[in-house]
Amino acid sequence: GAVVSQHPSWVICKSGTSVKIECRSLDFQATTMFWYRQFPKQSLMLMATSNEGSKATYEQGVEKDKFLINHASLTLSTLTVTSAHPEDSSFYICSARGLGTGASPYNSPLHFGNGTRLTVT
Amino acid sequence: RKEVEQDPGPFNVPEGATVAFNCTYSNSASQSFFWYRQDCRKEPKLLMSVYSSGNEDGRFTAQLNRASQYISLLIRDSKLSDSATYLCVVNLNNDMRFGAGTRLTVKP
Repeated sequence: GAVVSQHPSWVICKSGTSVKIECRSLDFQATTMFWYRQFPKQSLMLMATSNEGSKATYEQGVEKDKFLINHASLTLSTLTVTSAHPEDSSFYICSARGLGTGASPYNSPLHFGNGTRLTVT
Repeated sequence: RKEVEQDPGPFNVPEGATVAFNCTYSNSASQSFFWYRQDCRKEPKLLMSVYSSGNEDGRFTAQLNRASQYISLLIRDSKLSDSATYLCVVNLNNDMRFGAGTRLTVKP
């Protein structure tokens, strides 16, 4: 099955530093990757949609200058949390979808990375 | 109205019980539908896609009702290991929207 690798699994950093999270599709090409954030006991919140070779599309309320997304290849997207603060501490998850089948390119499911638990002290 | 709505639960059921979850979606043009499960502090994992004719995978049955704009998940003979949060996902073009999830706890 499709595998998405996310790295690192957890990171602790000091307030004001930047953290880069990588998301790789290992056995398929992903023209689109998605970045989510999840706070404890809350649902997944889509942060942005990352398209290979173009600028990411951010959800309302997500600061694009704070959460930098780069999708330089069909198998790699990165999320950089710049000038992290304690309130950015959360579980960040990426996902990717492969090519669809049949008539619809959108009938393929999402495959998730294993998430990155960020703690900002 | 939220784009995708689920009963948050929690559903607490004994082992062996049958439990059903519903999920409603607002956009009638939605194209594809999925159920995921998410264990505590883990990423969501695909449970099953939902097809128009309904589909079954072992103890799990998924159904789609386009006229009423909902999908359902039925779990038969619940196991302790079924305890998780179940997320419904609705896709329109390349826009995947998640429900908030339904929490299931299966007790011995």
